Amino acid sequence: AQKITQTQPGMFVQEKEAVTLDCTYDTSDQSYGLFWYKQPSSGEMIFLIYQGSYDEQNATEGRYSLNFQKARKSANLVISASQLGDSAMYFCAMREGRSSYKLIFGSGTRLLVRP
Amino acid sequence: GAVVSQHPSRVICKSGTSVKIECRSLDFQATTMFWYRQFPKKSLMLMATSNEGSKATYEQGVEKDKFLINHASLTLSTLTVTSAHPEDSSFYICSAREGGKSSYNSPLHFGNGTRLTVT
Repeated sequence: AQKITQTQPGMFVQEKEAVTLDCTYDTSDQSYGLFWYKQPSSGEMIFLIYQGSYDEQNATEGRYSLNFQKARKSANLVISASQLGDSAMYFCAMREGRSSYKLIFGSGTRLLVRP
Repeated sequence: GAVVSQHPSRVICKSGTSVKIECRSLDFQATTMFWYRQFPKKSLMLMATSNEGSKATYEQGVEKDKFLINHASLTLSTLTVTSAHPEDSSFYICSAREGGKSSYNSPLHFGNGTRLTVT
């Protein structure tokens, strides 16, 4: 069965610095997708970035980049130049296979950006 | 961008009553919708997958008769919590997959969630 692990329940980062949020996964499928979502205190889930298992390059979206290490089954999110508005919960999620669209989420990391 | 509207955002009900939560895709047709439950400071737990025009598929451990899901149209799915108990109090959030977007890199679009409190 697939599993997503986020080992950092909480993280602090100084404003304008970079921060890495860890995510490891376990799956027996060769085809899968990895997603990161941000959840502010208001509750909505905001899609940040996607990495496919066959993608050779690490995904980037603005200040977000994904450090994908397939052999180690890790997909860490890197946020550069942190802003106060980045303070939120961050969830790593995985979609397994080409025929399933449901997402399985990790336990999340609460990020607090200090001014 | 694709917008998913979830209503109500907050609801308080008494034990034993039923509560209906609506999830609407506003500017796209949602072939598949997913219902998640989130306990305070916890992750999202998938409850069920809802496909338009067919019965929902529930995850293991989720009571079908307790959490009734109806996906009657391509833009609306509803979750009804029947005979609610205080332990049903939680944050419920829906997500939708845009029909025709069969690529597995297409993100799900989430509603803003419903905070249910059962007294």
